Order: sequence, then C-alpha cells, then structure tokens
Amino acid sequence: DSGVTQTPKHLITATGQRVTLRCSPRSGDLSVYWYQQSLDQGLQFLIQYYNGEERAKGNILERFSAQQFPDLHSELNLSSLELGDSALYFCASSVGGSANNEQFFGPGTRLTVL
Amino acid sequence: GIQVEQSPPDLILQEGANSTLRCNFSDSVNNLQWFHQNPWGQLINLFYIPSGTKQNGRLSATTVATERYSLLYISSSQTTDSGVYFCAVRKTGANNLFFGTGTRLTVIP
Repeated sequence: DSGVTQTPKHLITATGQRVTLRCSPRSGDLSVYWYQQSLDQGLQFLIQYYNGEERAKGNILERFSAQQFPDLHSELNLSSLELGDSALYFCASSVGGSANNEQFFGPGTRLTVL
Repeated sequence: GIQVEQSPPDLILQEGANSTLRCNFSDSVNNLQWFHQNPWGQLINLFYIPSGTKQNGRLSATTVATERYSLLYISSSQTTDSGVYFCAVRKTGANNLFFGTGTRLTVIP
C-alpha cells in the first residue's frame, strides 16, 4: 500500500458525459501528479499540482481539468468523454515539487467509456 | 521530451531463473524509478535510483547516469514476479516522470 488513495476504482460511463476522479496523497506529500495509461499511448503525464498551485502540464486535453484543494486532495475532471478516453488514470504524490522526489502511485481508476 | 527504451519487451522465465532488464534513456536525468505493475494494474515502487546500486531482497538495480542506462536484476524468480516492469525517468529541468514501454515478464512454474 503506497498510502495514495484513489476513488472510484472503476467507472463506466457513456460518451459525452463528465466524470470526476479523486485522489488523496500520502500524508505529508504536497505534490500530486495525474497520469493516464492507455493501450496505445502507454503511461503519460497529464498535470501536476504542488500545494494547491498548478506546477506543470503535460499531454492534458482541454476537455480535462484538475485542481488541488486546501486539504491537498486533488480531483481530475474529464468532460465530453470520448471512447478514446477509456484508460487507467493514476494519481501519484511526492513530498516536494522539485525534481529529486520519489513519486508514489495510487491504485488507479479504470475508466470505461461506452 | 526524452526517449526511454526498455528491453526486452517480453520475457518468459522458468521459476527460479535469473533475469536482467535494461532501461536506456536519451538525455540527462536526475531521477529514475523502477516499478512493477501487477496483474491487477497497481504500480508498485521497486527502486528510486538516480545513480548507483541498490538491493532489496531478490531484486537489485544499478543506474549509470553518465552512460544513460539502468539495469534491474531479478534473481530466483517466482510466479508472483509476473507483470510489467517499467522504468521511469525525470529529465533534468522537468517535474514529471517519463515512462518506458515496459518489459512484460511471465514466470512459469
């Protein structure tokens, strides 16, 4: 158990819908990262927050957004869902926001868009 | 970005055998992690090893950052070692991890 929690574990929804994925970092970690794992793209970085502020952006679509709340939990919002958004979404956390921090991953949320 | 190549892509071992997995990267990095993704999809941290050698039980890892590669050694493999092994690096100046395409290991009894 990494100490990072994610809910829900599974999510099945239809095209065009909107969903919210939730992540709670390890106790004491200030940084949260979101990654997407799909069959065709592999594991890709989406976005990072550090202590409530957006720190870095990766291959995140405009239909996706995220935020980190004062209690440091984070939510990833996916809207106007398409079939290709079906993937495993991971949240990771680290102590700081800089380069030399080990990242720990949650169990993931498996999203299926029908 | 940065290219992260892992080899071999697939590996089938008899239980008890040893193996070496390789990760090559195309640019200087200040962080390298090895993960095991089990059949349930969980990513489990194996090593945080930007340089040097570490050992944890039957697993060990070595990173030679100046030559841009890392090796993961698995000794006396067990069926529970099956899954996909990922190498992930953090390029100097970046915050996120870049993942390789993984090595799928199958250990048969």
